[in-house]
Amino acid sequence: EPEVTQTPSHQVTQMGQEVILRCVPISNHLYFYWYRQILGQKVEFLVSFYNNEISEKSEIFDDQFSVERPDGSNFTLKIRSTKLEDSAMYFCASSVPTGMNIQYFGAGTRLSVL
Amino acid sequence: KNQVEQSPQSLIILEGKNCTLQCNYTVSPFSNLRWYKQDTGRGPVSLTIMTFSENTKSNGRYTATLDADTKQSSLHITASQLSDSASYICVVSAGSNSGYALNFGKGTSLLVTP
Repeated sequence: EPEVTQTPSHQVTQMGQEVILRCVPISNHLYFYWYRQILGQKVEFLVSFYNNEISEKSEIFDDQFSVERPDGSNFTLKIRSTKLEDSAMYFCASSVPTGMNIQYFGAGTRLSVL
Repeated sequence: KNQVEQSPQSLIILEGKNCTLQCNYTVSPFSNLRWYKQDTGRGPVSLTIMTFSENTKSNGRYTATLDADTKQSSLHITASQLSDSASYICVVSAGSNSGYALNFGKGTSLLVTP
């Protein structure tokens, strides 16, 4: 069964450093998403991406965040200057935006900012 | 502000017993409501999805109900198994004009014991 894959599974970085989290969505999907989950808290929407542009973003998705689809398969989330509070699990999801728009989630990347 | 509230926060039941999880939401405009199962350290996996016109939907031992008038949903798990131990998350979609963003509850942590 097709699945969303995310790399790395765990990323450790120093505060102030840039990180890029990578995702390979399901191949025929057209909508892509990033969510984050701080330990012990609920999953929060960050951004949705369609047709090579951001279609919706939350208040969390400020100027330090950016997304990109650099080629036909990858979807990346960049955090320019990481802060301690960016430590969280980051989930990528993808969907075909028809019908129920079921989003399929990757296993997540755990980001630890030291 | 869109909100999804779940209860109880956590639940412990004996293997073989049934349980019911609750979800109240204030999300507008409402598109659909989903229940996800999230194992520790993994991404959420969809169990059921319902539109406003659907009152109930089953997926094996999982049965979800939806009352769009009172904005309440429940997830009933029948004949629980040890593998049902996970977080169960109620998620409400606000539709295409919100970029298909999903609004997550904090989840109910279920522990099934032998």
